[in-house]
Amino acid sequence: GQNIDQPTEMTATEGAIVQINCTYQTSGFNGLFWYQQHAGEAPTFLSYNVLDGLEEKGRFSSFLSRSKGYSYLLLKELQMKDSASYLCAVKSRETGANNLFFGTGTRLTVIP
Amino acid sequence: ETGVTQSPTHLIKTRGQQVTLRCSSQSGHNTVSWYQQALGQGPQFIFQYYREEENGRGNFPPRFSGLQFPNYSSELNVNALELDDSALYLCASSSEGAGGSVQYFGPGTRLTVT
Repeated sequence: GQNIDQPTEMTATEGAIVQINCTYQTSGFNGLFWYQQHAGEAPTFLSYNVLDGLEEKGRFSSFLSRSKGYSYLLLKELQMKDSASYLCAVKSRETGANNLFFGTGTRLTVIP
Repeated sequence: ETGVTQSPTHLIKTRGQQVTLRCSSQSGHNTVSWYQQALGQGPQFIFQYYREEENGRGNFPPRFSGLQFPNYSSELNVNALELDDSALYLCASSSEGAGGSVQYFGPGTRLTVT
């Protein structure tokens, strides 16, 4: 089975840095994905890690440690528009398909 | 914009009715995955279609069924609707033959069952 844990809510200040952690237990690991979801909208792809280490993409970075079952998403220079839910998802072939198993999401509120 | 489209945007149905939701995949993608997202939860995998065949299924009953067409667009059908089926239904398009490819989501269909 799959088990993905991330904090339910976080608050951070505009201009600051925030780190959203995700721990997982999975079989058939085939990648760790982060998506951003604004209220009432679809998830938007942010980043993807399949090997250990840090992937940087502008203001967003994601880190993966497969041996620890751990990932984090780092958001720098926070802007008000970054207020959203951030979904950690593990790709696995457990069901026979290469599908995503999602955590419940971390709702980030950016305050002035 | 992901190039993935879904219709309709919103739908209201009565318990016991049947519903069909549609998804057009991004150009060049051969795989469509369907997810159900209840309020305040992460998306849950329903099933995936790859080259017109069901490729894998999550923990959903048989009254959830689907199709994929030669142009890789897809349908999700739900029979005998229940109140708990009220959710955002998302389709995601990808090229899963490439292994760890990215799934891009459409805007979703908000289904309300009364």
